[in-house]
Parts: sequence; structure tokens; C-alpha cells
Amino acid sequence: DSGVTQTPKHLITATGQRVTLRCSPRSGDLSVYWYQQSLDQGLQFLIQYYNGEERAKGNILERFSAQQFPDLHSELNLSSLELGDSALYFCASSARGALANEQFFGPGTRLTVL
Amino acid sequence: GEDVEQSLFLSVREGDSSVINCTYTDSSSTYLYWYKQEPGAGLQLLTYIFSNMDMKQDQRLTVLLNKKDKHLSLRIADTQTGDSAIYFCAEKAGSSNTGKLIFGQGTTLQVKP
Repeated sequence: DSGVTQTPKHLITATGQRVTLRCSPRSGDLSVYWYQQSLDQGLQFLIQYYNGEERAKGNILERFSAQQFPDLHSELNLSSLELGDSALYFCASSARGALANEQFFGPGTRLTVL
Repeated sequence: GEDVEQSLFLSVREGDSSVINCTYTDSSSTYLYWYKQEPGAGLQLLTYIFSNMDMKQDQRLTVLLNKKDKHLSLRIADTQTGDSAIYFCAEKAGSSNTGKLIFGQGTTLQVKP
């Protein structure tokens, strides 16, 4: 158990809908990362937040957005869903300073768009 | 650019050593990682190495880094059936001041009893 929690574990929805994925980082970790794992694209970095501020953006679609709240939990919002958005979405967190190089992953949320 | 390549599949017998290889393109990579993913689970950080090192050992795991050839390997000694999983190599780009990791496509390790 990495200490990173993600809810829900599974999500099934229809095209055009909007969903919110939630992540709670390990206690004390300030950085949160979101990754998407799909069969055709593999594991792709989406976005990073550090202490509430966006730090880096990767291959994140404009239909997707994220935020990190004052209690450091993060949410990933996916809207106007398409079949191709079906994937496993991982959240990871890391500490600050010398331990910032270790990213610990949550169990993931499996999104199925029908 | 940033790209990480791995072979897709490796099969070994229980008790043998496994060697999983990875190549990367970003010469400014600062850290290189190995993660393990079991079916239906998240990614477990196994080990990582700083780019100024050429070897790191952690119990049954040995990481070798050849920076000149941009080649990273993970050796698992005395491989067990419980080691069957997908192994991902990842790099942390040195050119960006972020934690973004670039992953390879993963190597499926099959351990036969």
C-alpha cells in the first residue's frame, strides 16, 4: 500500500458525460501527479500540482482539467467524454526536498466510456 | 526528444536471473526508475538510480546504468513466480524543473515454475 488513495476504483459512463476522479496523496506530500494508462498510448503524464499550484502540464486534453485543494487532495475532471478516454487513470504523489524524486502511485481509477 | 524503449516480453524459469533492458533518449535525464505493475494494481516503485551512478543494488535487484549508451537494466536475482508482472522503466527529464516521468511501454515478465 503506497498511501495514495483514489476513488472511485471503477467508473462506467456514457459518451458526452462528465466525471470527476479523486486522489488523496500520502500524508505530507505536496506534489500530486496524474497519469493516464491506455493500451494504445501507454502511460502518459497529464499534469502536476505542487501545493495547490499547477507545476507542469503534459499531454492533457482541453476537455480535461485538474485542481489541488488546500487539504492537498486533487481532482481530475474529464468532460465531453469519448470512447477513447477509456483508460486507467493514476494519481501519484511525492514529498518535498530530497525525497521529491520518489513518486508513489495510487491503485488507479478504471474509466470505461460506453 | 524524450523517448523510452523496452522489450515487450521476457520469460524465465523460477530461480534464474531476469534481466530487463531499457533505452532512453534524453541525455539530460537526472533519475531513472523501475516500477512494477501486477494485474489490476497500481505501479509500485521498485528502485531508482541517479544519473551520476552506474550501479545500484537493493537485495535481489541490481540496476545498471550505461549513460554513454543511454541504457538501463534491471537484474532480478533468483526470480520467483511472485515476480511475474509488468516492469516499467521511466526517466525524469533533466531539462524540466518538474516531476514529470516518461515511461517505457513495459516489459511483461513471465516466470515459469
